Amino acid sequence: DTEVTQTPKHLVMGMTNKKSLKCEQHMGHRAMYWYKQKAKKPPELMFVYSYEKLSINESVPSRFSPECPNSSLLNLHLHALQPEDSALYLCASSQEGLSDTQYFGPGTRLTVL
Amino acid sequence: AQSVTQLGSHVSVSEGALVLLRCNYSSSVPPYLFWYVQYPNQGLQLLLKYTSAATLVKGINGFEAEFKKSETSFHLTKPSAHMSDAAEYFCAVSVPGANNLFFGTGTRLTVIP
Repeated sequence: DTEVTQTPKHLVMGMTNKKSLKCEQHMGHRAMYWYKQKAKKPPELMFVYSYEKLSINESVPSRFSPECPNSSLLNLHLHALQPEDSALYLCASSQEGLSDTQYFGPGTRLTVL
Repeated sequence: AQSVTQLGSHVSVSEGALVLLRCNYSSSVPPYLFWYVQYPNQGLQLLLKYTSAATLVKGINGFEAEFKKSETSFHLTKPSAHMSDAAEYFCAVSVPGANNLFFGTGTRLTVIP
């Protein structure tokens, strides 16, 4: 099974809402990632978890809060977002680190009103 | 630091014609190189990767890429385009122990019937 799943597929939220994105993998991978992708742009790395510990935070605003409850799950908690945060949010996982093959989920299309 | 440049944000080929998508990299150490494909409203799927073994790398769906150190290139080719190849293609680079995977700006491939 080389699948990374993400829920929800689409999310519309207001600027005062609190919501969460979820990601799950059952490949035994020890590294998980969140990326943000704007239209017609490449993915931008947001966070990296390695062995359930946050190892990289690419200067992401605090309105984005990642969480790794266990080795298979990765959440991204959203609060007080801005319209410019509207994007496709991609989750990925890999065996160990960034030089290993990353397997991507289908993404969550987020719209902030 | 590492970076990739994808020449041509848009490439159009006729069905059955050769596909050539260009990628040049910059790295001060031997790199790992990847090609990913992204279909509309989906995540990224790995086509192939180079990790310092054979310089000609064969991937899925009939794609291959050749690592040329002297030209700092990793161009993606397919002998005969199929309609289903229409998608966005991203070249990416990392190095062993790196903290990031650097994506190119992407090339949108259109296949003309």
